Amino acid sequence: DIQMTQSPSSLSASVGDRVTITCRASQSITTRLNWYQQKPGKAPKVLIYAASSLQSGVPSRFSGGGSGTDFTLTISSLQPEDFATYYCQQSYVSPRTFGQGTKVEIK
Amino acid sequence: QITLKESGPTLVKPTQTLTLTCTFSGFSLSTSGVGVGWIRQPPGKALEWLALIYWDDDKRYSPSLKNRLTITKDTSKNQVVLTMTNMDPVDTGTYYCAHLYCSTSRCYGDNWFDPWGQGTLVTVSS
Repeated sequence: DIQMTQSPSSLSASVGDRVTITCRASQSITTRLNWYQQKPGKAPKVLIYAASSLQSGVPSRFSGGGSGTDFTLTISSLQPEDFATYYCQQSYVSPRTFGQGTKVEIK
Repeated sequence: QITLKESGPTLVKPTQTLTLTCTFSGFSLSTSGVGVGWIRQPPGKALEWLALIYWDDDKRYSPSLKNRLTITKDTSKNQVVLTMTNMDPVDTGTYYCAHLYCSTSRCYGDNWFDPWGQGTLVTVSS
């Protein structure tokens, strides 16, 4: 299986901050990397697919980058509704493994 | 508009078999480039990918659970069924089904889960 490692596991930030979450794959996955946002008690929602493509309806303050084994999710200006847990997922090969998640909390 | 909803027992006993049904609308699982996956989440923990079925009945399973999982589809009913045998308390969690969106008609390129069902909480306890 391809292992996906996110860092940090959690972070505290203030509204308006720029936040970056990283995801590392245990082998190259080209750009087959998705990012999901999950709020408490809710199902995950896709934010970014194919490493850098913004899903329709997702605010432009979210952006993704990277290729190969190293990827980032950036929130350019954190908003109150962005406090949630974020997961990366590789879609290169089955099993399509997820990272362990990054919880973004209010500072 | 694509929607999915999971259904099944909320409580199962250890060693029993769990059967979950995902009923969907807004797409057909007989259309090329479409799939449905199952993902679970233990309380307070991360997402775990379980299984995937494609429009052509190709199936993929998590290697660590492969001996316990079976995924099937009924295109006439717009349903996907996941069975998991020999349930254990560590299998407690929320089980989600999700539509697999593929960027190509044969699903060889980028793919992602969108949307997801609301999830169903399954507790394994005697």
